[in-house]
Amino acid sequence: DAGVIQSPRHEVTEMGQEVTLRCKPISGHDYLFWYRQTMMRGLELLIYFNNNVPIDDSGMPEDRFSAKMPNASFSTLKIQPSEPRDSAVYFCASTPGPSTDTQYFGPGTRLTVL
Amino acid sequence: SQKIEQNSEALNIQEGKTATLTCNYTNYSPAYLQWYRQDPGRGPVFLLLIRENEKEKRKERLKVTFDTTLKQSLFHITASQPADSATYLCALDVSGGSYIPTFGRGTSLIVHP
Repeated sequence: DAGVIQSPRHEVTEMGQEVTLRCKPISGHDYLFWYRQTMMRGLELLIYFNNNVPIDDSGMPEDRFSAKMPNASFSTLKIQPSEPRDSAVYFCASTPGPSTDTQYFGPGTRLTVL
Repeated sequence: SQKIEQNSEALNIQEGKTATLTCNYTNYSPAYLQWYRQDPGRGPVFLLLIRENEKEKRKERLKVTFDTTLKQSLFHITASQPADSATYLCALDVSGGSYIPTFGRGTSLIVHP
């Protein structure tokens, strides 16, 4: 298996633009997580899905952020409109079952909003 | 307030020595605690999980202890090597029963040859 795949790896955009981050989890994993990592706040959980259904989005910072999982092999995290404070590395992770299992992280998307 | 604390200062040690990293938490009663390794430009990689009823767990040169009374986990790397240089994150479940890990901010380990 190729592991968790994220695209793009790097994204540079201007304030106000829409940004879409993409994730393909490991096949057969029922849970998918979106995290954001910054120097100031560390690794923060934004939202997670179980069997394509959003379970907890309490970590989503505000309405500018939205996430979808239309099928078991694809998820998106969208920021509209983007702001400079959204600059961070965004990680997607998946697990086969409840999260006492290992979380498998993707390589991340480094987002820079100018 | 609820916190997970890892030393923000980098730990510098000499090759061959034992590295010990600390994870402290307050106001949680986690069912488990995990340790991850993160290299620059990469996602975290799972290393070890220890449950609340376990005192110690080992994997090759790694050892983790979990003291629920002290609310502390120690992560040891014996016979450290320069290739062990990375940031190490601890994670634990803070919402009893949800099994969703919350991560500490990590400690950077630098092993000098």
